[in-house]
This record gives sequence, structure tokens and C-alpha cells, in this order.
Amino acid sequence: EVQLVESGGGLIQPGGSLRLSCAASGFTVSSRYMSWVRQAPGKGLEWVSIIYSGGRTYYADSVKGRFSISRDNSKNTLYLQMNSLRADDTAVYYCARHYASSGYFDSWGQGTLVTVSS
Amino acid sequence: QVVLTQPPSVSGAPGQRVTISCTGSRSKTGAGYNVHWYQQLPGTAPKLLIYDNSNRPSGVPDRFSGSKSGTSASLAITGLQAEDEADYYCQSHDSLSGVVFGGGTKLTVL
Repeated sequence: EVQLVESGGGLIQPGGSLRLSCAASGFTVSSRYMSWVRQAPGKGLEWVSIIYSGGRTYYADSVKGRFSISRDNSKNTLYLQMNSLRADDTAVYYCARHYASSGYFDSWGQGTLVTVSS
Repeated sequence: QVVLTQPPSVSGAPGQRVTISCTGSRSKTGAGYNVHWYQQLPGTAPKLLIYDNSNRPSGVPDRFSGSKSGTSASLAITGLQAEDEADYYCQSHDSLSGVVFGGGTKLTVL
């Protein structure tokens, strides 16, 4: 059974850093496209970043230069390093698996809440 | 990058048919990007409803259907039920720049 479990969220002051983890089971993270998607309170879904199976990465303009996506194949875990956090980064962060090498998501984690506030 | 535009809200009575539109900003027609649809119930992660414009994953009722013509896609829900009240998102993917979501549509069952 495919499972994605996010962790690492919490309350952080503006300007701070946080690393989110997404532990995967039932499949190999490195074999799939994987994305982070966030949802601010009461708002819609916003794609944050993708890492392709070959290692290429892309970021939304809103996080480019501040966030970094990576994976640890030995731990079968996806990460999102978030630096220079701002109040508008406050959101539930989901990791999501892409189906095969396609654009849509077939599995989602339960999400982890990041609150950026002083 | 593609921008996907959805109506903020739609509504319908039980048993009725509703449609949710998703209009892409790209001008090219025909082959191009595929559109996918998700349902999000309050407090839960999104769930895939339709992939590649018109395909339903196993377990999704056939009351849900999708279509795409040119730069516009639609999600149709027939035989509306109270449990269908949720937020619906369209989504596409551009290999050059990543993933994009529509702004979401809140479906209210009257």
C-alpha cells in the first residue's frame, strides 16, 4: 500500500528556516516525479516544487531561491528545505506522488501545517 | 506557464447536473496539456477524480465525467448528491515549468 507521511511542520518566526520530510512506503521515491503542494488557510491549492525521477527540480516563482526540494533514496524520503520564511508561507504542506511519469497526482500525504508568525 | 481559471462557486439541487469549467491561458489548441480534476472535502487531502481530461480512476462513480476542447476543460457531475459538496480543482502540468492548479470551485448542494 502506498503511503506518504509528512512531518516537520510547526510554528516558526519570519525569516526562519524549517525542513519538511515526507516518508514514503509502498514505492520508491526516486522512481517517481514527486511534488510539494501547499494550501494557505481558506485558500486554494498552490503547487510549490517538483523533483523529477532524473533529479531535475522546478519551483513556483513564489518560493524560488528560498525553498529547495530533495530526496534521500536510502531513506525513501522527500524533503522541502524552507528558508527565509514569510507570513504568506503559512499553509498546510502536502507531498504528492505523480502517477508514473505523468502530470497528475495519484497519492497525497495528510499534510503538515507550517505557521510563520512572530 | 499555463494559468487555469475556474469559477469560484457553483451550486445545484440534489439530482441535478452541474458543470465546472477550467479555462487555460494558452492559445494553442488540440494536442497540448492534459487537465486533471481533484475533489477536496473539508479538512482532507485532495482526491483524484479525473485524469488526462476524461479518464476516471477506479472507484470514482460514473456520475463524474470530464471533457476538454481546445484550451477549455469541464467537469460534469450528474445526479448531484449531498456528499458531492466540496471544493474542486483542475490541474495541469508543463514539463518546462512545473505544475499549475486552477483557483478552485466550491460546489454547494442546495
